[in-house]
Parts: sequence; structure tokens; C-alpha cells
Amino acid sequence: DTGVSQDPRHKITKRGQNVTFRCDPISEHNRLYWYRQTLGQGPEFLTYFQNEAQLEKSRLLSDRFSAERPKGSFSTLEIQRTEQGDSAMYLCASSLQGAGEQFFGPGTRLTVL
Amino acid sequence: ILNVEQSPQSLHVQEGDSTNFTCSFPSSNFYALHWYRWETAKSPEALFVMTLNGDEKKKGRISATLNTKEGYSYLYIKGSQPEDSATYLCAQRDQTGANNLFFGTGTRLTVIP
Repeated sequence: DTGVSQDPRHKITKRGQNVTFRCDPISEHNRLYWYRQTLGQGPEFLTYFQNEAQLEKSRLLSDRFSAERPKGSFSTLEIQRTEQGDSAMYLCASSLQGAGEQFFGPGTRLTVL
Repeated sequence: ILNVEQSPQSLHVQEGDSTNFTCSFPSSNFYALHWYRWETAKSPEALFVMTLNGDEKKKGRISATLNTKEGYSYLYIKGSQPEDSATYLCAQRDQTGANNLFFGTGTRLTVIP
């Protein structure tokens, strides 16, 4: 296990479609974070998990967004009824609780047409 | 929400030049500051985690300093090389439960051979 991986790396979809992204964290890390970066901005926090529990969600995470981490390992982020404003880079990161340092995946770039 | 700012937004330097960027952040309730390097199509790579006022860290030709009382950090690159071309992000870590990161917008460095 050499790092955090994300799939797909790129996704192009039409407005109104649903999309799902996957993140595989570093195996011994119990914390998993999702961030979103839009053009000209730094990454912004969306949500995080400790093991399988989703403990915090940003106000950026509208009800069209849902994230899961069913077995405390990989996580999925689903966006329903995509809008053009959802176009962004979606980044996943993982960390050991208390260690603080977050290790990032390469991101999934979403384009909504 | 922690307001983190970076300057300049972008920078072009000649190979061999030394350069530096600034990250400013709220000084109250400081917990930790992170620097990342993000090359196109790759994962953001952790450079430094800094916690103590006056901290100075070094990794090869890259170093960083931290002033928590006045709320700024500098990143220095000595003798820039084309492979240093990347976006450099700083982020302040939240001290509450999520420990999530609040990022600046980044400084995009281009080193011209």
C-alpha cells in the first residue's frame, strides 16, 4: 500500500446525472477526509470519517451529496442530480487519529456539462 | 472557518534563483500549519507540519519558518529547479474534533529553465 488512491481520476457527466467516486486510504489510517477544490480556490473541507462513522459534515455538503465508509476502509462520495456548480476536483485524504498529518490522493476531477 | 491567505498567487523564476512565498493565518487558537506541494496530475505531497512559534524546518533546498504570534509562515526555495514547478499550498489545522485543514488558495510556481 503506497498511498491514497482515488477512482476515477476524471469524470465527465451531464447535468442531472448521478456520479460516485471512490477513495482507498492508507490501510492503517482510521480517519478519512473529503475535500473539494474549485477553480481559483484552495481545497475546502466537506466531511470526515473516523473508522466507519461520519462525524462531521461541512455546510458545503448539500443534501445531494452523500458519503459512506461502510467497513471503515474505502469510502464513496455520491453526488445526485449533478449541477454545473459541482464541477471541481474532489480530493480524499487519510490520517492516523492524533497524528494530524493528512496524506492526499490524486483527486477526481468532475466536469458537469 | 479559518481564513488562510497566500501570496503571491503565481510566480515565475529563472532556474537557479531563490524564491519565497508567504502564508498568513489567524494567530489566535493556533494549532498547526501544514505546507504541501501539488504537482499537476499528482497527489498533494506533504512538505512540513509546523506547530511551535519560531519553528524552522528544512527538506533539501526547501525550508519554512513559522511565526504564530503574528500569524505568518514563509516557504523558501533555494536555487530553484524546473522540477520545483508546482502549486504550494499552506493550510491551518483546526484544533477541534475533525482536525480538518483550512487551505489558502496556493502559490503557483513556474521555474523557467
